[in-house]
Amino acid sequence: DSGVTQTPKHLITATGQRVTLRCSPRSGDLSVYWYQQSLDQGLQFLIQYYNGEERAKGNILERFSAQQFPDLHSELNLSSLELGDSALYFCASTVGGGPGTDTQYFGPGTRLTVL
Amino acid sequence: AQSVTQLDSHVSVSEGTPVLLRCNYSSSYSPSLFWYVQHPNKGLQLLLKYTSAATLVKGINGFEAEFKKSETSFHLTKPSAHMSDAAEYFCVVTGTYKYIFGTGTRLKVLA
Repeated sequence: DSGVTQTPKHLITATGQRVTLRCSPRSGDLSVYWYQQSLDQGLQFLIQYYNGEERAKGNILERFSAQQFPDLHSELNLSSLELGDSALYFCASTVGGGPGTDTQYFGPGTRLTVL
Repeated sequence: AQSVTQLDSHVSVSEGTPVLLRCNYSSSYSPSLFWYVQHPNKGLQLLLKYTSAATLVKGINGFEAEFKKSETSFHLTKPSAHMSDAAEYFCVVTGTYKYIFGTGTRLKVLA
């Protein structure tokens, strides 16, 4: 158990809908990273938050947004969902603003299925 | 810019034989390097990490990796494969602002 929690574990929804994925980092970790993993794209970095502020951006679509709250949990919002958004979504946390020598600890993921 | 290449997308070994998963990296400075394992429908679990201390790094479950600066490699090895090692393995190098993942190597262990 990495200490990173993600909810829900599974999510099934329809095209055009909006969903929110939640991540709680390990105790003491200030950064949260979001990743998307699909069969055709592999593991893609989406976005990083550090202590409530956006720190780095990857291949995140405009339909997607994220935020980190004062208690350091983070939410990833996906809207106007398309079939191609079906994937495993992971979050990871690190102590610092990273990367440096910080280790990323990954949550168990949320499997999103868009029908 | 930093990059990482996992040289094999699939590796098959027989149970009890050695495992070698190859990773080459490119970096303009001394990076940190990691190996993660992912079992089906699970999150990524850290196997080991290199952060410029000892070049031979020991990890969990009998895995180890050697950092070779001259060859820009960080290959993952295990002396004897177990059926439970069947999984996908990711090599990761640190970039300036993010972690850069290899495309993964799927390890199959034959009985």
